[in-house]
Amino acid sequence: EVQLLESGGGLVQPGGSLRLSCAGSGFTFSNYAMSWVRQAPGKGLEWVSGISGTSGNTYYADSVKGRFTISRDNSKNTLDLQMNSLRAEDTAVYYCCHHIWGPGFRGAGPWDYWGQGTLVTVSS
Amino acid sequence: EIVLTQSPGTLSLSPGERATLSCRASQSVTSSFLAWYQQKPGQAPRLLIYGASTRATGIPDRFSGGGSGTDFTLTISRLEPEDFAVYYCQQYGSSPLFGGGTKVEIK
Repeated sequence: EVQLLESGGGLVQPGGSLRLSCAGSGFTFSNYAMSWVRQAPGKGLEWVSGISGTSGNTYYADSVKGRFTISRDNSKNTLDLQMNSLRAEDTAVYYCCHHIWGPGFRGAGPWDYWGQGTLVTVSS
Repeated sequence: EIVLTQSPGTLSLSPGERATLSCRASQSVTSSFLAWYQQKPGQAPRLLIYGASTRATGIPDRFSGGGSGTDFTLTISRLEPEDFAVYYCQQYGSSPLFGGGTKVEIK
């Protein structure tokens, strides 16, 4: 059974940093692209960042480019999101997501497994 | 940049009725890279449809997707109590993008 477990959320001041992690199990981690998707309180869904399975190619939404860094450790089956220069508008539940097909991000398709989410609150 | 517009914003229906949700793209969606998700309060989204019309694993056949190019629909043939939720369309690929969502509520 595929499981994704996020951790690292919490309260941080504007301008601060936070690192989210996601532990994957029940599948061959390196075989799949992964993404982070967020949802602000009471709002819709927004893709944040994605990473290919083995090539290390990374992709970012314009709203986080230059501030967030996605990475993965296939030996530990973990996906990370380093978030710097945080803003109030980054406040959201952050979900770790498994793409339905293969390691290449561009052709990896939608997300068939999601974690339970971790809440990031940016406030003074 | 593509924009996905979902309509209506809220759909008020009774159990057993048919629900038709619309997702319109400002430009043609590449190769029907269009998915639909269901989200209930306090839960992560669940993938329903991908490739515009293919049901994901375990999704009941009362859910169906259709359309191509810029106009897509999600149809729930007969609403069950557990189907009342928010539904999102999504373009996937190199720049994933969501629509604003349609809430299906009990009338």
